[in-house]
Amino acid sequence: QKEVEQNSGPLSVPEGAIASLNCTYSDRGSQSFFWYRQYSGKSPELIMFIYSNGDKEDGRFTAQLNKASQYVSLLIRDSQPSDSATYLCAAARGYQKVTFGTGTKLQVIP
Amino acid sequence: ETGVTQTPRHLVMGMTNKKSLKCEQHLGHNAMYWYKQSAKKPLELMFVYSLEERVENNSVPSRFSPECPNSSHLFLHLHTLQPEDSALYLCASSQDQGISYNEQFFGPGTRLTVL
Repeated sequence: QKEVEQNSGPLSVPEGAIASLNCTYSDRGSQSFFWYRQYSGKSPELIMFIYSNGDKEDGRFTAQLNKASQYVSLLIRDSQPSDSATYLCAAARGYQKVTFGTGTKLQVIP
Repeated sequence: ETGVTQTPRHLVMGMTNKKSLKCEQHLGHNAMYWYKQSAKKPLELMFVYSLEERVENNSVPSRFSPECPNSSHLFLHLHTLQPEDSALYLCASSQDQGISYNEQFFGPGTRLTVL
């Protein structure tokens, strides 16, 4: 079983729609969860982090965490073609342990 | 220069070569990291340095040797690599040690090809 699991996609959504990206993790000791955006050929860029159950909103982005279900999601409202990228989910524990998923490729169709 | 820089951006080396990757952060951070990103695989944390001391080595083969001479610079020395070591090597930094509590800023990466 992968420690952090994501659907590789591609996930295709029309421009203006809501994109929903999902991630599950196996380490119940995970404390913080991160969503990174990675454009092709570029380095990851932090979009959101969350460590409490519930929702966290920042602009068009909402991260959702359910520790009981070991599930993290990222919603992107009003999706734009510039949102087309690979989104990496990561789970971190303590000072030195972080595990990334393989990423979900998102395509926003104009 | 701002943020996190890495040199070279591309590197091709033979299995018997010795080379070094360089990372420099201009953010005043105290922690630095090396990651490996291979095709179709998750990003893997290799090494963690906090205040110039190595605090984590995730079972990385000894052919990879990190060095952190000061809090702004991080090197990854490479020798007798294998073709499967071909990957994107990313450097990152954060204000303090503690991956769970600190945002990491990534450099652009070095694309390494081992022939």
